[in-house]
Amino acid sequence: QQQVKQSPQSLIVQKGGISIINCAYENTAFDYFPWYQQFPGKGPALLIAIRPDVSEKKEGRFTISFNKSAKQFSLHIMDSQPGDSATYFCAARGRRGTYKYIFGTGTRLKVLA
Amino acid sequence: NAGVMQNPRHLVRRRGQEARLRCSPMKGHSHVYWYRQLPEEGLKFMVYLQKENIIDESGMPKERFSAEFPKEGPSILRIQQVVRGDSAAYFCASWLVTGVSQNEQFFGPGTRLTVL
Repeated sequence: QQQVKQSPQSLIVQKGGISIINCAYENTAFDYFPWYQQFPGKGPALLIAIRPDVSEKKEGRFTISFNKSAKQFSLHIMDSQPGDSATYFCAARGRRGTYKYIFGTGTRLKVLA
Repeated sequence: NAGVMQNPRHLVRRRGQEARLRCSPMKGHSHVYWYRQLPEEGLKFMVYLQKENIIDESGMPKERFSAEFPKEGPSILRIQQVVRGDSAAYFCASWLVTGVSQNEQFFGPGTRLTVL
């Protein structure tokens, strides 16, 4: 199966709160899991990415948690700010030779001031 | 180093016309992806190309859609005889494929196609 399921579809968080977005995949042939941020009218931009040989990766206020056995990964945005309001997509990429990205359906995050 | 460039940014076509979308990858990048994004939806993989070669076109509709990435010039996504259902944002992304698979794709700003 080449699906990546993402939830929630939308999320409202107070300024300073923690935003959590979850993704699940089925295909064990994926070996690279990026998160993208997209503002209206713009292309997606890479936020942070992880490989399945680590369980967590942190960059500033953004953390990916990865559970290989459960085939799930999540994005945590600490101290959420109004400027974080955007649509977030998780994705999974196939191994060398395929390099095909499968995207989740997106989460629209709104951070209230 | 300029980013990925796409043109036009907005394209309006009438049903039955042809749409040509162009993507110039980042300097030195030899591989390009094309994605389609319908309103309120995620990105759907369409095709993955390297110069003069289609690597994976499993996401391309069987009819009316074609893509190329010539040795010189931009990658082109061509949609013949457009229908209203083709209205979407089309994004390309380029990346540098080396021996290390740490590299990431970089997206262009997209072309928003409207079919009247």
